[in-house]
Amino acid sequence: ETGVTQTPRHLVMGMTNKKSLKCEQHLGHNAMYWYKQSAKKPLELMFVYNFKEQTENNSVPSRFSPECPNSSHLFLHLHTLQPEDSALYLCASSPLGGVSGNTIYFGEGSWLTVV
Amino acid sequence: AQKVTQAQTEISVVEKEDVTLDCVYETRDTTYYLFWYKQPPSGELVFLIRRNSFDEQNEISGRYSWNFQKSTSSFNFTITASQVVDSAVYFCALSEAQTGGKLIFGQGTELSVKP
Repeated sequence: ETGVTQTPRHLVMGMTNKKSLKCEQHLGHNAMYWYKQSAKKPLELMFVYNFKEQTENNSVPSRFSPECPNSSHLFLHLHTLQPEDSALYLCASSPLGGVSGNTIYFGEGSWLTVV
Repeated sequence: AQKVTQAQTEISVVEKEDVTLDCVYETRDTTYYLFWYKQPPSGELVFLIRRNSFDEQNEISGRYSWNFQKSTSSFNFTITASQVVDSAVYFCALSEAQTGGKLIFGQGTELSVKP
């Protein structure tokens, strides 16, 4: 059983829809992350939150809007996405953000298809 | 600049064969960490190992072993007596002290173990 859970596991949405991805970690960590994994591309870091505060936005388009209400929960709000945004979105957590050597633990991912 | 190269895109072996996955990294930092993750078809990245730059001891965990050589900037992963359940994409990653612990991933190696 993973310590990082993501819902939904699969999502199909139209370009005009608004949807959200949810992530919850049960590891007592203080940092949470969103990564994007597209086919044939390396994992891309999108956002980092440390103690609920956003510490990194890796030039992500504004149609992706993260929200971190507390250290255990992370959301990714999706609005007017493009077909090229179809990918696996992985949530992750670590004891602390911004510290080298922290092991980052990943969830099972949310497979997103934009039609 | 930091970089991780996994030159083997795909490897196919027959069950019980030994297989080595290569990982070469580039960094200017003297303090860094190296990781291996396994990604089965379900999507979750499963943490396998973390090594720091000051510890070059090889590590063995069951059928898994890792060979860290600073002289060649390599951190190779060997699976002994491979099994069908080992089929997955394996990622090598680098985290540097100077870049606040961000994980830099290689492109991944897709391992297929056939019965």
